[in-house]
Amino acid sequence: SAVISQKPSRDICQRGTSLTIQCQVDSQVTMMFWYRQQPGQSLTLIATANQGSEATYESGFVIDKFPISRPNLTFSTLTVSNMSPEDSSIYLCSVEDRRREETQYFGPGTRLLVL
Amino acid sequence: GENVEQHPSTLSVQEGDSAVIKCTYSDSASNYFPWYKQELGKRPQLIIDIRSNVGEKKDQRIAVTLNKTAKHFSLHITETQPEDSAVYFCAASRNSNSGYALNFGKGTSLLVTP
Repeated sequence: SAVISQKPSRDICQRGTSLTIQCQVDSQVTMMFWYRQQPGQSLTLIATANQGSEATYESGFVIDKFPISRPNLTFSTLTVSNMSPEDSSIYLCSVEDRRREETQYFGPGTRLLVL
Repeated sequence: GENVEQHPSTLSVQEGDSAVIKCTYSDSASNYFPWYKQELGKRPQLIIDIRSNVGEKKDQRIAVTLNKTAKHFSLHITETQPEDSAVYFCAASRNSNSGYALNFGKGTSLLVTP
């Protein structure tokens, strides 16, 4: 499986500020996904990032709050904008397997605490 | 959209016993069903998956069964060990313009006691 890294691994932020999370993969992939995992909860898909096109957002998530970039086939960023304490979560990127596109592997996650 | 229900939310078994976790899904177009294991503070790890054209799949102590008609699938862990203790998530997906986006169940916290 691909090697996936995320930066930062964790951060503590003040409300009203923004944080950009980076996801880097060691091989070229078409689809990258961003998920949110609130404390003690399951994973919820925020958006799908396909290189060369606008991200596709799930119901309840909007581009103004969670802008996503996908400049090439190995990198993506998720920005959490104008943060509030309710945005405190783990944010995970995932990538599809090159040989089995339905299979996804997750990055280590970014733990965000908003005060 | 797809709705995935997972039961039980917590499960405690003794070492050596079997554990079964069940999930149901709502979208009949879903055709891929992975299971992830998440240890505390770690990322979700894919442990087994099944496609809709297969009824059962086994990998050592882990097996998954799928009933397409009833729209449910289950994870079976035999001869459980303390290191199996974790949160297990089922998911369902299908191909779309956004790829195979995963819809997760709420998770099952499995505790295996020595």
